Amino acid sequence: DIQMTQSPSSLSASVGDRITITCRASQGISNYLAWFQEKPGQVPKLLIYLTSTLQSGVPSRFIGSGSGTDFTLTISSLQPEDVATYYCLKYNSAPRTFGQGTKVEIK
Amino acid sequence: EVQLVESGGGLVQPGGSRRLSCAASGFSFSTYSMNWVRQAPGKGLEWISYIGPSGSPTYYADSVKGRFTTSRDNAQNSLYLQVNSLRDEDSALYFCATDLPNPLGSWGQGTLVTVSS
Repeated sequence: DIQMTQSPSSLSASVGDRITITCRASQGISNYLAWFQEKPGQVPKLLIYLTSTLQSGVPSRFIGSGSGTDFTLTISSLQPEDVATYYCLKYNSAPRTFGQGTKVEIK
Repeated sequence: EVQLVESGGGLVQPGGSRRLSCAASGFSFSTYSMNWVRQAPGKGLEWISYIGPSGSPTYYADSVKGRFTTSRDNAQNSLYLQVNSLRDEDSALYFCATDLPNPLGSWGQGTLVTVSS
């Protein structure tokens, strides 16, 4: 099975900073990579699918990129409401697999 | 509006069984594939199962294969997860999620399963 390695496990940054989260697949998954945001006490929410396509209503400061085995989620200007845990998900084939998660906090 | 409502969770003894349900509304249920995802307390998300729109194919995570069974009743707009041979590590919040409009695009609020003697 394909493993997903997400890093870092946590990060702390200032409002307005650009931050990047990385997900690496153990084998190529084409562009079948999604990103989810889970805010404290809330249900996970799909942000990005097919590596870089924003789900409707998601702010443009969220940017997805990559292909094959290496993918990134960038928040171009971190906002207080972005405090959450972010997960990647590969869905090219079964089993679907989440990354371990990245907890994002504000300094 | 897409609505997914899970039920069936509760306290179960190790080795026990439970049937979780997910009632869907607000969309053409029979058109979309469905998933079960769980989250143990304080831990990350774990995808555990997929079922196609017509009831097949079905896929499972290795951690639950042979113990959990996913099914659906399109006439009742319902998704089910039969969980057997429960272990302590199966204690988690269980979510159903549909691939509408995109992979795991809509989620329910979850139902909590606690495995304990």
